[in-house]
Amino acid sequence: AQSVAQPEDQVNVAEGNPLTVKCTYSVSGNPYLFWYVQYPNRGLQFLLKYITGDNLVKGSYGFEAEFNKSQTSFHLKKPSALVSDSALYFCAVRDPKPGDTNAGKSTFGDGTTLTVKP
Amino acid sequence: DTEVTQTPKHLVMGMTNKKSLKCEQHMGHRAMYWYKQKAKKPPELMFVYSYEKLSINESVPSRFSPECPNSSLLNLHLHALQPEDSALYLCASSQDQAGARGYGYTFGSGTRLTVV
Repeated sequence: AQSVAQPEDQVNVAEGNPLTVKCTYSVSGNPYLFWYVQYPNRGLQFLLKYITGDNLVKGSYGFEAEFNKSQTSFHLKKPSALVSDSALYFCAVRDPKPGDTNAGKSTFGDGTTLTVKP
Repeated sequence: DTEVTQTPKHLVMGMTNKKSLKCEQHMGHRAMYWYKQKAKKPPELMFVYSYEKLSINESVPSRFSPECPNSSLLNLHLHALQPEDSALYLCASSQDQAGARGYGYTFGSGTRLTVV
């Protein structure tokens, strides 16, 4: 079974400071990892993903995430936060199993609300 | 076109009503999904269609009935819902359902459903 944990319900940072939103995962094989952002009354927007290769992946709006296999983590980071980054962030994991119908299912974390204050 | 369009954006229905939610995408994606999301919670998977065939039903009550008329359209038919079914219903699509490929999802903005 696959699972993902976002240990912080809420993250507060000041504008211009670096931000980190934490995510840890558990899968039986090599994971596919995703970050999504959700603004109020909107659907989720894809930010970035790790499939294979470089452990540091870059995504939309200046976000990046680092895959750490030994710590089973995939933390989302941004060097300088903007007020407009305030939103709900979801980490998701998928355990790819070729030929398995359920392999297309992603498991989402409970979400972390990021608030960036001016 | 890189969007998933959902209509209506808001829906209020009584417990005896029949209504439908509609989802449309023109990205050539062959997998489409229905999710239910309560406030400040993660989305919960309901149904997956792959190449217009129902692939996954997450033990959803029969008062929710999905339909995929063609590769661009996905409907969710609603009948005899309960107040606890009130939620944001999200449609998503991806190039393929196959787990071996790392496709992300494109989500629509959702339909805010209120059952009275």
